Amino acid sequence: EAGVAQSPRYKIIEKRQSVAFWCNPISGHATLYWYQQILGQGPKLLIQFQNNGVVDDSQLPKDRFSAERLKGVDSTLKIQPAKLEDSAVYLCASSLGTNTGELFFGEGSRLTVL
Amino acid sequence: ILNVEQSPQSLHVQEGDSTNFTCSFPSSNFYALHWYRWETAKSPEALFVMTLNGDEKKKGRISATLNTKEGYSYLYIKGSQPEDSATYLCASPNYGQNFVFGPGTRLSVLP
Repeated sequence: EAGVAQSPRYKIIEKRQSVAFWCNPISGHATLYWYQQILGQGPKLLIQFQNNGVVDDSQLPKDRFSAERLKGVDSTLKIQPAKLEDSAVYLCASSLGTNTGELFFGEGSRLTVL
Repeated sequence: ILNVEQSPQSLHVQEGDSTNFTCSFPSSNFYALHWYRWETAKSPEALFVMTLNGDEKKKGRISATLNTKEGYSYLYIKGSQPEDSATYLCASPNYGQNFVFGPGTRLSVLP
């Protein structure tokens, strides 16, 4: 069974530029999560989708971050314009749909903003 | 949003040593407690999903216990090996919704 796919693995940009990350969850997984992990901290939820609907985006900085999950399958997370403090690993995870079920993670996209 | 804490923040042990870390979470409105292992340059992987007070789970040399009444879980590693070096994360659903992660315990096992 294929795991969660993410791209790109690494991205370096200058502040005020834009960047997009892509995630393809495990086939059949209804729930998709984007987490931001800043060095030294635990992953912080940015947005949770159930199929193609948003369940929770309360911690998503909506002035610069956006995410979509078209057709309830793969998802894109965009940052525009990027700030220095956005340097982090962006993790995508998926689960079958139960709120207490195991999360399956991708390898993450490491963003460096200069 | 509930607060999940972990200690210690980092740990260095010698190969063959046994070790343990702690995850603390609010005992009210408990739904589940997850442990994940995150090795460098890899994706985090689930170790245990625990839901019942008094749960004890084991996978090889790694085991975990859960006390929902007092709000803590312990992760034990017996006879640590260099391949156990990783960040260990615990997470709990926030009122049964999205998962809140602790800051992690970074384990280094020295050969």
